[in-house]
Amino acid sequence: ETGVTQTPRHLVMGMTNKKSLKCEQHLGHNAMYWYKQSAKKPLELMFVYNFKEQTENNSVPSRFSPECPNSSHLFLHLHTLQPEDSALYLCASSPGEGQGAFREKLFFGSGTQLSVL
Amino acid sequence: AQTVTQSQPEMSVQEAETVTLSCTYDTSESNYYLFWYKQPPSRQMILVIRQEAYKQQNATENRFSVNFQKAAKSFSLKISDSQLGDTAMYFCAFSGSDDMRFGAGTRLTVKP
Repeated sequence: ETGVTQTPRHLVMGMTNKKSLKCEQHLGHNAMYWYKQSAKKPLELMFVYNFKEQTENNSVPSRFSPECPNSSHLFLHLHTLQPEDSALYLCASSPGEGQGAFREKLFFGSGTQLSVL
Repeated sequence: AQTVTQSQPEMSVQEAETVTLSCTYDTSESNYYLFWYKQPPSRQMILVIRQEAYKQQNATENRFSVNFQKAAKSFSLKISDSQLGDTAMYFCAFSGSDDMRFGAGTRLTVKP
């Protein structure tokens, strides 16, 4: 148990569906991240939240909508996805204690494997 | 933009032997951090080791050590006394002032 929990573990959805991915961390961290992991490609940073404020949106299409209601929870709302959006979506957290979020050790969840049909 | 290159998509090593995974990066920054993360079949990525660029001494964590060559922008990971549990994807990552970039990964298989 790493302290970062993602649900669901697997998700299959059609292109017209609306679904949400959930991430919860029990580490008392202030920064949370969404990454996309596609086969044989580097991890792609999607969104960063620091103290519940979005500090990074890495040119992600609007069909992905993040939500961070508090420092412990992070959601990724999905709507009208494309087959190329099929990937492993990883959530991570870090202390967010002033070093700069990107310089800190990241704690990852086990990801949601998303398949878009 | 910073780039991170892992030139070995797949590697294998016999149990108890030593293996080195390569990583190079490109940056114009002088102060940054480098990381190696491990992703086993469970999919959960775990930090293996971290190196601060201004520290000349190579970081070590038990059986894991790095060879950090700042001038060459090289950051290789050495795993000594390889164990079956080391079988995983290994990702090199660069963290600068405003971004973190990952390499495409190296799949390491430890053979009994």
